[in-house]
Amino acid sequence: ETGVTQSPTHLIKTRGQQVTLRCSSQSGHNTVSWYQQALGQGPQFIFQYYREEENGRGNFPPRFSGLQFPNYSSELNVNALELDDSALYLCASSPDGLAQSGYTFGSGTRLTVV
Amino acid sequence: AQSVTQLGSHVSVSEGALVLLRCNYSSSVPPYLFWYVQYPNQGLQLLLKYTSAATLVKGINGFEAEFKKSETSFHLTKPSAHMSDAAEYFCAVSDKAAGNKLTFGGGTRVLVKP
Repeated sequence: ETGVTQSPTHLIKTRGQQVTLRCSSQSGHNTVSWYQQALGQGPQFIFQYYREEENGRGNFPPRFSGLQFPNYSSELNVNALELDDSALYLCASSPDGLAQSGYTFGSGTRLTVV
Repeated sequence: AQSVTQLGSHVSVSEGALVLLRCNYSSSVPPYLFWYVQYPNQGLQLLLKYTSAATLVKGINGFEAEFKKSETSFHLTKPSAHMSDAAEYFCAVSDKAAGNKLTFGGGTRVLVKP
């Protein structure tokens, strides 16, 4: 069984640009969550998708948006990039979106905004 | 609202010594609790989880944690540290009231001295 894969692994963007990060969920998982991990901090919840619908959102502005596809893969889009958006973005998948089932994390995408 | 506090951002232990990482949580409903490990430039790997069964939870790599409701704690221990345990460790809480999202502590970086 394949785990969670994220692409690209590293990315450098200029302030004001837009970026799209991609995530393939683990086989059999229908829920994908996205987290932002700034340097030296714990991950912060951005949002979650369950069966192609957003079903939870953290304290992030609307310029952070997402999508989940019928095969349960997902994208995270960030518009009007700011320097503070520089972070490791982690994708996690779950078989049913329930906390007790656990989440499997990918290795992340390191985004640097200059 | 749920929250997690990890006491000590850095812990240094000698190889073979006890590893003790502290985690206290707050949650308005019975929580699910997790410990994750993060190696440099990697994603998060689940060490163990508490989901309201046994209060003493055994995980991978010889780690275990005990859920103490009266103390709202979920400390992580390992009897004998190994060099490969050098990493960052994150405690996380989740509950149904919070939509099953994970809320992480700030992390504890473990250094193992030979």
